[in-house]
Amino acid sequence: SQQGEEDPQALSIQEGENATMNCSYKTSINNLQWYRQNSGRGLVHLILIRSNEREKHSGRLRVTLDTSKKSSSLLITASRAADTASYFCAPSGGSYIPTFGRGTSLIVHP
Amino acid sequence: NAGVTQTPKFRVLKTGQSMTLLCAQDMNHEYMYWYRQDPGMGLRLIHYSVGEGTTAKGEVPDGYNVSRLKKQNFLLGLESAAPSQTSVYFCASSYQTSGIDTQYFGPGTRLTVL
Repeated sequence: SQQGEEDPQALSIQEGENATMNCSYKTSINNLQWYRQNSGRGLVHLILIRSNEREKHSGRLRVTLDTSKKSSSLLITASRAADTASYFCAPSGGSYIPTFGRGTSLIVHP
Repeated sequence: NAGVTQTPKFRVLKTGQSMTLLCAQDMNHEYMYWYRQDPGMGLRLIHYSVGEGTTAKGEVPDGYNVSRLKKQNFLLGLESAAPSQTSVYFCASSYQTSGIDTQYFGPGTRLTVL
């Protein structure tokens, strides 16, 4: 299955700290995306990293990809209470259709 | 630009009743998807469509039917609802370019089957 598995399932930190969540997948990919879901809302695309890239930045987000280990990580620096949400990785392979895992639930305490 | 909209937002059904969930997008996207989200299960793909008039099964298609008669609309039908279909349903649309498929999600429909 192309589905990503996020780790940890839940993460609780204080405002200002960094939050790191990981994603593992099983087969080769073309790209991997990260999405955020605020409580009760639909998912929102955050960032995409292609299989030939190792690191990508967008504002306070940093994504890394290690295709040899079939893993990716999402780092949110200087977390804010507004970052409280669930985060999903979505690897995509030959069909290019992303598949979603169970997500990491992040709580940032003010 | 409304993006992806879903109708209705909430619905309560009795076992055996039928209903149709409507998804509409105004971004001229070719691809549309229906997911269900259950606690602890993440998002599971029910059916998807790669263009007007086409549909395909996803991971959990049983008990659901879909139709894509118009490019902007994707309908999800439950012919005989069961309590196991209690869930939050999300629709998404996307276009694929250079091997990238970025999805845009609707706000969801909360369905309870009694």
